[in-house]
Amino acid sequence: KQEVTQIPAALSVPEGENLVLNCSFTDSAIYNLQWFRQDPGKGLTSLLLIQSSQREQTSGRLNASLDKSSGRSTLYIAASQPGDSATYLCAVSGSSNTGKLIFGQGTTLQVKP
Amino acid sequence: DTAVSQTPKYLVTQMGNDKSIKCEQNLGHDTMYWYKQDSKKFLKIMFSYNNKELIINETVPNRFSPKSPDKAHLNLHINSLELGDSAVYFCASSHSGGWETQYFGPGTRLLVL
Repeated sequence: KQEVTQIPAALSVPEGENLVLNCSFTDSAIYNLQWFRQDPGKGLTSLLLIQSSQREQTSGRLNASLDKSSGRSTLYIAASQPGDSATYLCAVSGSSNTGKLIFGQGTTLQVKP
Repeated sequence: DTAVSQTPKYLVTQMGNDKSIKCEQNLGHDTMYWYKQDSKKFLKIMFSYNNKELIINETVPNRFSPKSPDKAHLNLHINSLELGDSAVYFCASSHSGGWETQYFGPGTRLLVL
């Protein structure tokens, strides 16, 4: 049974810092891995999707890496800003390609001005 | 233009009642999903439909019944509501299947009293 864990559960950093969020999963037979952002009281916004054959994806100040064999992904945020404050969720899609996403419990990030 | 919309946004009701949540997407996607986010913010898939056909049916009480009248709509009907049904329910859609980014609606906050 696939389990997804995110560490740390919460993180507080001063503005301008570079930071790394971690995601680990127990079954390496995944189709893809997605990082989402959730603002309080809002829905999820997809940030990056990494296919199982890829090693990383970049979008602006965000870079996500995937090491399928070790069951790990990281989300790197460069030059953090107060507007980056949100909960970041990692989700893996199983190898059956049904679209079933299994989520971690998220890392809540606070970037202080 | 809202890509994935849900109604209502908030729903407060008494135990034992029956209620429905509606979801519509205007992205032209073939696949739609229902997720439940509990009080600990843990997101778990409930159902998915591809072009009106049920694809994923997780271990969910049979009081929950999804209905897809067409591929742009996926509604969730809940019978005999219980206190434990209180949660945020998210609808999502993707172009076709598991390798695609999923787009989430804003969520429906259900409170059962």
